[in-house]
Amino acid sequence: GAVVSQHPSWVICKSGTSVKIECRSLDFQATTMFWYRQFPKQSLMLMATSNEGSKATYEQGVEKDKFLINHASLTLSTLTVTSAHPEDSSFYICSARDESRAYNEQFFGPGTRLTVL
Amino acid sequence: RKEVEQDPGPFNVPEGATVAFNCTYSNSASQSFFWYRQDCRKEPKLLMSVYSSGNEDGRFTAQLNRASQYISLLIRDSKLSDSATYLCVADSGYALNFGKGTSLLVTP
Repeated sequence: GAVVSQHPSWVICKSGTSVKIECRSLDFQATTMFWYRQFPKQSLMLMATSNEGSKATYEQGVEKDKFLINHASLTLSTLTVTSAHPEDSSFYICSARDESRAYNEQFFGPGTRLTVL
Repeated sequence: RKEVEQDPGPFNVPEGATVAFNCTYSNSASQSFFWYRQDCRKEPKLLMSVYSSGNEDGRFTAQLNRASQYISLLIRDSKLSDSATYLCVADSGYALNFGKGTSLLVTP
């Protein structure tokens, strides 16, 4: 089956530092990847759609200069939380569409839990 | 108004019980629908797709009513391992819209 990995699985950092999260599709190519954020007891909220070789599309209310997305290859997208603050502490999950499948099913990475002190 | 609404629960049921979850969606242009399962502090995993004709996968039955924009999930003969949060998802073709999830706890 399609596998998506994320690294790191958790990170604790000081306020003001930048954190990079990697999302990889391990056994399929993904021209499109998605970044979600989930706060406790809340639903997954789409932050941005990452497009290989072009700029990401950000959802309303998501600052593109704060959440930098780079999708440099068909198997890797990165999300960098710049100058992280405690309110950025959340569960960040990526997903990738396997476009070779009938329903363009999205496969989720295991998530990255970010805690900003 | 949120695009996908669910009763958050929690639903506490004994093993062997039948439990039903409901969900409504507001975007009539939504094309596909799914139920995902999310365990605590884990990523969502696809449980099943939802088709207009209704579909069944073992103990799980999903129904879709496009006219009323309503989706349901029925779990029969609940197992302890069914305890999780169940997310209702509508796919607009552009993005997945997740409900907040319905929490299920199956007790011995």
